Amino acid sequence: SQKIEQNSEALNIQEGKTATLTCNYTNYSPAYLQWYRQDPGRGPVFLLLIRENEKEKRKERLKVTFDTTLKQSLFHITASQPADSATYLCAAGRRALTFGSGTRLQVQP
Amino acid sequence: EAGVAQSPRYKIIEKRQSVAFWCNPISGHATLYWYQQILGQGPKLLIQFQNNGVVDDSQLPKDRFSAERLKGVDSTLKIQPAKLEDSAVYLCASSVRGGETDTQYFGPGTRLTVL
Repeated sequence: SQKIEQNSEALNIQEGKTATLTCNYTNYSPAYLQWYRQDPGRGPVFLLLIRENEKEKRKERLKVTFDTTLKQSLFHITASQPADSATYLCAAGRRALTFGSGTRLQVQP
Repeated sequence: EAGVAQSPRYKIIEKRQSVAFWCNPISGHATLYWYQQILGQGPKLLIQFQNNGVVDDSQLPKDRFSAERLKGVDSTLKIQPAKLEDSAVYLCASSVRGGETDTQYFGPGTRLTVL
């Protein structure tokens, strides 16, 4: 069955540094990958979508890459801030989304 | 624009009891989703509606879970009888059309605790 895997260990970085989160997929080839942010006690919020023919997508301090050879997407937050602390979810699917388990990011001031 | 509304926000019940959750999607959104999110995991789709028809309910435990979306707007998700492993956050989401590039908008969720 199709799987979306994210590093379950929390990522701790210093304010101002670049955070890089990894999403790997197996057993299928999604045409699109989506990234969501989830804060405690809230539903996920859409951040970015990247198509398989796009190598990179940017939005403000966010950057997403999509490597179909490695079956991997990387999510970068540059100049990270404490307000970026949250869980970030990777998702893909033809109709309904299959989500990864998310990676919790903690940005220290 | 108002977001996706869900109620209640929290519910505590004993196993074998029944419970119902309600969702009001964003106005004009044709597609509505119910997800189950167990602590430490990502959301898992339970059921997807397109207007008032079911598109995908392959992961819905139909012996105990049921959902309906009357008139293609509000939706209710019911669990009867509840089991301990049903303890989770139940998220409702909606999107304009339901295609794979459609943005899904999530509600705040209902946190269910089964004792």
